[in-house]
Amino acid sequence: DIQMTQSPSSLSASVGDRVTITCRASQSISNYLNWYQQKPGKAPKLLIYAASSLQNGVPSRFSGSGSGTDFTLTISSLQPEDFATYYCQQSFSTLWTFGQGTKVEIK
Amino acid sequence: QAQLVQSGAEVKKPGASVKVSCKASGYSFTSYAISWVRQAPGQGLEWMGWITTHNGNTNYAQKLQGRVTMTTDTSTSTAYMELRSLRSDDTAVYYCARDPSISGYYGSDYWGQGTLVTVSS
Repeated sequence: DIQMTQSPSSLSASVGDRVTITCRASQSISNYLNWYQQKPGKAPKLLIYAASSLQNGVPSRFSGSGSGTDFTLTISSLQPEDFATYYCQQSFSTLWTFGQGTKVEIK
Repeated sequence: QAQLVQSGAEVKKPGASVKVSCKASGYSFTSYAISWVRQAPGQGLEWMGWITTHNGNTNYAQKLQGRVTMTTDTSTSTAYMELRSLRSDDTAVYYCARDPSISGYYGSDYWGQGTLVTVSS
């Protein structure tokens, strides 16, 4: 299976901060990389697909980049509703896998 | 607006089976695949597999091979996930999700509300 490693596992940030989360694949996955946001007790929500494409309805402060093995999710100006856990997911192989998650907390 | 509504919480004994349903509405059921993801308490997301709704092709996570079966009923636009020989570490919230492509390239764009399955003696 392709292993997905996110860093950091958690971070503390303030409203208005720029936040970057990294996801690294154990082998090249081209741009078959999706990002999800999950709030406590809720289903995940798709933010970014194909590494850099913004899902309909997702605010433009979210952006994704990368290709191959290294990817980033950036929140340009953190808003109160953005405090959540973020997961990357690869679908390059037939066996999809998620990263372990990054929890974004209020500083 | 697409919607996926899952069946209610279940409590099962070790060794038993559980079957979770996921009823789709608001879109053409057979135009999208359905994937299943689970989340143990306090843990991350674990992909379980997907099923193509137009012909029933499946792809399962290796660790669940032999214990999981995904099916669909196109007459009711419902997908099912059955997990057998339940163990305590199968205790989790189980989610279904809609996939525009089985390549996963476009992500899973709509999700069910989740079904808590508790395995306990």
